[in-house]
Amino acid sequence: EIVMTQSPATLSVSPGERATLSCRASQSVRSNLAWYQQKPGQAPRLLIYGTSTRATGIPARFSGSGSGTEFTLTIRSLHSEDFAVYYCQQYNDWWTFGQGTKVEIK
Amino acid sequence: EVQLVESGGGLVQPGGSLRLSCAASGFTVINNYMSWVRQAPGTGLEWVSVIYSDGSTYYADSVKGRFTISRDNSKSTVYLQMNSLRAEDTAVYYCASLTLDLLLSYYFDSWGQGTLVTVSS
Repeated sequence: EIVMTQSPATLSVSPGERATLSCRASQSVRSNLAWYQQKPGQAPRLLIYGTSTRATGIPARFSGSGSGTEFTLTIRSLHSEDFAVYYCQQYNDWWTFGQGTKVEIK
Repeated sequence: EVQLVESGGGLVQPGGSLRLSCAASGFTVINNYMSWVRQAPGTGLEWVSVIYSDGSTYYADSVKGRFTISRDNSKSTVYLQMNSLRAEDTAVYYCASLTLDLLLSYYFDSWGQGTLVTVSS
């Protein structure tokens, strides 16, 4: 099983600032990496797939990068609605998720 | 618009059974890969099972031999039959549809709102 490790567990950011979230895979997943946003009491929402392609309706302030085993989600200029938990997921070999990064208001 | 609506969750005793349903609208389940993903309270996400468009089914090791995924094309509904339930199966269960990307791999695109399963005596 491919293990996904996210860091940090919690990120405290002020509105308008940039947030950088990291995700590491235990082995190469090529570019088969997605990011999801989850708010309390809601289902996960697809943000990014294929490492860097934004899903339909996702604002341009969200961007993804990386390949192989190291990936990054960047949220440029955080809006109030962006405070949530973010999960990375590999879909190269079945499907496994990271443990999540909580982005909270500083 | 794709919509997935889960139902069937509830409280069940250890060793009991439950069947979850996922009603899909806006597309046909027979032409899509459909999956169940669960989230235990306060924790992360765990893939549970998938059914491919050709009817093939696959399971996470944690549920293999106890859970069965199926579909009813006429009702555009996917099911998850859960038997021999354990306390560690307590979670919100989400139904999700999968989409093929340019590298010919499938990722989860649309999710239902989830249904809570609690296994407790």
